[in-house]
Amino acid sequence: SQQGEEDPQALSIQEGENATMNCSYKTSINNLQWYRQNSGRGLVHLILIRSNEREKHSGRLRVTLDTSKKSSSLLITASRAADTASYFCATDGRGTGRRALTFGSGTRLQVQP
Amino acid sequence: AAGVIQSPRHLIKEKRETATLKCYPIPRHDTVYWYQQGPGQDPQFLISFYEKMQSDKGSIPDRFSAQQFSDYHSELNMSSLELGDSALYFCASSQEGGGSRNEQFFGPGTRLTVL
Repeated sequence: SQQGEEDPQALSIQEGENATMNCSYKTSINNLQWYRQNSGRGLVHLILIRSNEREKHSGRLRVTLDTSKKSSSLLITASRAADTASYFCATDGRGTGRRALTFGSGTRLQVQP
Repeated sequence: AAGVIQSPRHLIKEKRETATLKCYPIPRHDTVYWYQQGPGQDPQFLISFYEKMQSDKGSIPDRFSAQQFSDYHSELNMSSLELGDSALYFCASSQEGGGSRNEQFFGPGTRLTVL
């Protein structure tokens, strides 16, 4: 990925456990968005966090943003088998003025029933 | 709620053929983005349009062209197809006006296979 890396690349957990995925980026941003992708399918928008926000919640999702470290984390609580998917972070470029998204390399999450 | 529509969902072409992918954005969204996702890779930005004008260009090959029409739908035209063009092609739409948050919503994608 040109923007950064996601960590871990793959994660396997049991149903009911929490899953944490991390994302790093390189340039200044306006917003950071998280997406989910089931195998070979479309990208589903999960949550957007602005550069002046530090934490955001949506249902079982919690996103944090640390602009000083250029990193974000996505926490999925009480995971379910249906959460099995790849998760991508994506940023747009405040410094470049580019509104197109640059994606991280994604984390493949496997939730075992 | 209406989502982004892409057609066709699957397309199989031979090398050197042409292909046209279509995208219908969410109603009242004025901006369309095209992304390409190769096997096992993250999506890469190709090109975008705002109010029917090209607004940005990414890693789009010269063999590809795109446009946005008066009804805001967009088409990606691909010529002289190569094996390496086999990928998922996503369209995303957003509402740019009024200082929007640039929240982009993606369509289901078109899976292009070049044989």
